[in-house]
Formats: sequence, structure tokens, C-alpha cells
Amino acid sequence: EAQVTQNPRYLITVTGKKLTVTCSQNMNHEYMSWYRQDPGLGLRQIYYSMNVEVTDKGDVPEGYKVSRKEKRNFPLILESPSPNQTSLYFCASSFSAGGQETQYFGPGTRLLVL
Amino acid sequence: GENVEQHPSTLSVQEGDSAVIKCTYSDSASNYFPWYKQELGKRPQLIIDIRSNVGEKKDQRIAVTLNKTAKHFSLHITETQPEDSAVYFCAASLSDYKLSFGAGTTVTVRA
Repeated sequence: EAQVTQNPRYLITVTGKKLTVTCSQNMNHEYMSWYRQDPGLGLRQIYYSMNVEVTDKGDVPEGYKVSRKEKRNFPLILESPSPNQTSLYFCASSFSAGGQETQYFGPGTRLLVL
Repeated sequence: GENVEQHPSTLSVQEGDSAVIKCTYSDSASNYFPWYKQELGKRPQLIIDIRSNVGEKKDQRIAVTLNKTAKHFSLHITETQPEDSAVYFCAASLSDYKLSFGAGTTVTVRA
């Protein structure tokens, strides 16, 4: 089944404790992206990747890191989480140009930073 | 970058009535305008999209219209049903890689 998966689905952590949210897709998509969803703010892009080893900042990249060592995986890293990073995170992928075609979203990761 | 504003933030309609959500965008170079639907607790999913060379697109009970001069586009849902209750996001893009979303509209269809 074609899908985008994320892990973990729920995470409670404390300020400053490094964490990684994994994202994987099995559709051989070149483009992958991370978004955060907050009430009243919609979906805001954190980082995106056009292909392996090619990443770029979205609109809200501060406090986040990403890597794209393999085509199928695009982990989101919070080196020192803070309470303002409490949010619902979505990974998405598309065939090649995510800004011009359907993006397929993962199930979401709900993060609470205490 | 692109700025997308979406109105209203909440919309309650009687089953069978129509629902209209409007979005405005800031950059006249934007050329792709998708709409995503997010049911409660689920992931966003594309329901319809339109490109700047088209003024209107329909898919069964859903239609999208685009006014490039005024820089706004709208989602129209006719004959609303309970399963149309969800959060709807508009988005706009002027590049291959970045998509800017509106804040979302929570639609409730009353039985």
C-alpha cells in the first residue's frame, strides 16, 4: 500500500531533550516536506527536500533540522525542544515538485514539550 | 513569500445547502491553488486544485473558481452532506517546492 508513515504518533518530552520524528514514504517520491499545524495558523512549512541530499528552509525553520540521506526517509530533528514547538507535525511527499502537485501527508505526530 | 488569507474561519450550514470558502493571495505570480480537506483526527488530503490558466474547475459537488485579477479563489460545495464536515485549507504556490496554506475553515454540516 502506497503511504507516508511517521513515528512516533504521540510524544511528550521535556525542554532541551533532543528528539527525532521519522518520516518514510514508499512511493519513490523525490519531494518531501515537513509542516507544523497550529490552531488559527494553518499548516506552515518547516523544511523541504527536493531529492537526496538536497534540502531547504520553509517558512518556520528555526529550532529544527532535517536530513535526506535516502530517498524514502526524511527525519525531523529537534536538537533542543522548547515549549513553543508543541504542535501537530505532518510529513508530506510528492512525486517531484511539491509546490505544483498533490502532496500526500503522513498521519501526523502530536508533540508536547513541557 | 506568498501570504494566503482564508475566510471564514468557521462555517455552519444546513445539510443540503451550499458552502463557500474564500481565499486571497498576495503574489500575482502564484500559479497553483490546491484545496485540502482534513477530517477530525486525520491527515489533510487533496480534494481539488486549479492552475492559473483555468478560471473554474468542477468535480461532482465541489468546484473551485479563480479570479487572477483580484487575486482570490473560492471553494464551493453544493448539496452539503454530513461527511463534508471537516477543516478545509486553501493553498497557493509560485514555485515548484513551496506551498503556502491558509489558516483553515472549520465546516460543520447540521443535519
